[in-house]
Amino acid sequence: AQKITQTQPGMFVQEKEAVTLDCTYDTSDPSYGLFWYKQPSSGEMIFLIYQGSYDQQNATEGRYSLNFQKARKSANLVISASQLGDSAMYFCAMREMVEDDKVIFGPGTSLSVIP
Amino acid sequence: DTGVSQNPRHKITKRGQNVTFRCDPISEHNRLYWYRQTLGQGPEFLTYFQNEAQLEKSRLLSDRFSAERPKGSFSTLEIQRTEQGDSAMYLCASSPSGGADTDTQYFGPGTRLTVL
Repeated sequence: AQKITQTQPGMFVQEKEAVTLDCTYDTSDPSYGLFWYKQPSSGEMIFLIYQGSYDQQNATEGRYSLNFQKARKSANLVISASQLGDSAMYFCAMREMVEDDKVIFGPGTSLSVIP
Repeated sequence: DTGVSQNPRHKITKRGQNVTFRCDPISEHNRLYWYRQTLGQGPEFLTYFQNEAQLEKSRLLSDRFSAERPKGSFSTLEIQRTEQGDSAMYLCASSPSGGADTDTQYFGPGTRLTVL
């Protein structure tokens, strides 16, 4: 069974608009971490934002925020005020504490920002 | 530049040849990871080091693959007798141990391997 599901293979957003990228996860571990990474066409994985399973508040980092709904096992990424440079692949990932430091990645969502 | 670096960035080789990739993690990061990413997929975990100790290996890592981190700093990933199915991007990441940043892995630019 897939541990990380990203149901949107591709998304389009108008420049300056907000966009939500979906991520659901599956784990029985009570302690885990959730990540979002951006991968532009150059190939480098760029860390965006982190949410711990015990964190009470949703993580925010500049224009990025993570809509963490623990009961629904979802960790959607919200990008506000989209910019042309946001066009890239976006990966949701999870680290389960019982699995040591292995991080499992989802299949990714390709975001295209339209001018 | 104090980020994770990887060399070479690109490698083209013929089937059956051996290749070796190098990863230099962020200094003072104790943990180092190798991932493989094929086109259209997310990265898949290969192996992980805590200092010089290799703590976990994925079943994806066949006996043709070997990784080392001899002094707990840089790491090498060697693939022997390469096959066309080994063609992929090989990503290295590092993270500190302890502290508030402990969970975040920072990635290098990757080495793209093409096996002809």
